[in-house]
Amino acid sequence: GESVGLHLPTLSVQEGDNSIINCAYSNSASDYFIWYKQESGKGPQFIIDIRSNMDKRQGQRVTVLLNKTVKHLSLQIAATQPGDSAVYFCAERFKAAGNKLTFGGGTRVLVKP
Amino acid sequence: GAGVSQSPSNKVTEKGKDVELRCDPISGHTALYWYRQSLGQGLEFLIYFQGNSAPDKSGLPSDRFSAERTGGSVSTLTIQRTQQEDSAVYLCASSLASDNEQFFGPGTRLTVL
Repeated sequence: GESVGLHLPTLSVQEGDNSIINCAYSNSASDYFIWYKQESGKGPQFIIDIRSNMDKRQGQRVTVLLNKTVKHLSLQIAATQPGDSAVYFCAERFKAAGNKLTFGGGTRVLVKP
Repeated sequence: GAGVSQSPSNKVTEKGKDVELRCDPISGHTALYWYRQSLGQGLEFLIYFQGNSAPDKSGLPSDRFSAERTGGSVSTLTIQRTQQEDSAVYLCASSLASDNEQFFGPGTRLTVL
């Protein structure tokens, strides 16, 4: 069935360094991908999205890369800050199956001062 | 403007009792989603409402779970005869239309004793 997974459950990063969070997905027909950030006790917060007709999209300090050949998604955070400490989830959508999102298991990012 | 709100924020109940969880989506959003997040896990899709269309109930884990959306706005998720495995954070999200970013509420933490 459809599944989305993450390679690293915990990522420790020095403040100011760049972070890279990886995600693998299994449904090659997925057409839309999103990264969410979730802080303790809060709901997921949208970071950035990308559609399957693109391979790169940039936001403020964040970049999402999509490699459809190997079904891989990554989130790059530039100049990581203490406020970036959170759990990050990737999610995919296969529109023909409805608008529901399938989420990965999450990666915890810890920013060290 | 106001985001997605959910109530209660925490609910403790005894096994076998029924519970109702409420979601107030962002005003004007036609799509509403319920997800469940077990401890340390990613989000699991439960049900999706889009306008006046029949809801997508494909994620509901059993017939003890049901949801309704009255007047195209507020939604209630009902769990009958709760079990300990129902303990989780229940998250609601809404989007302007089915093909737009989903905004999440803070969730309701349900604990079944």
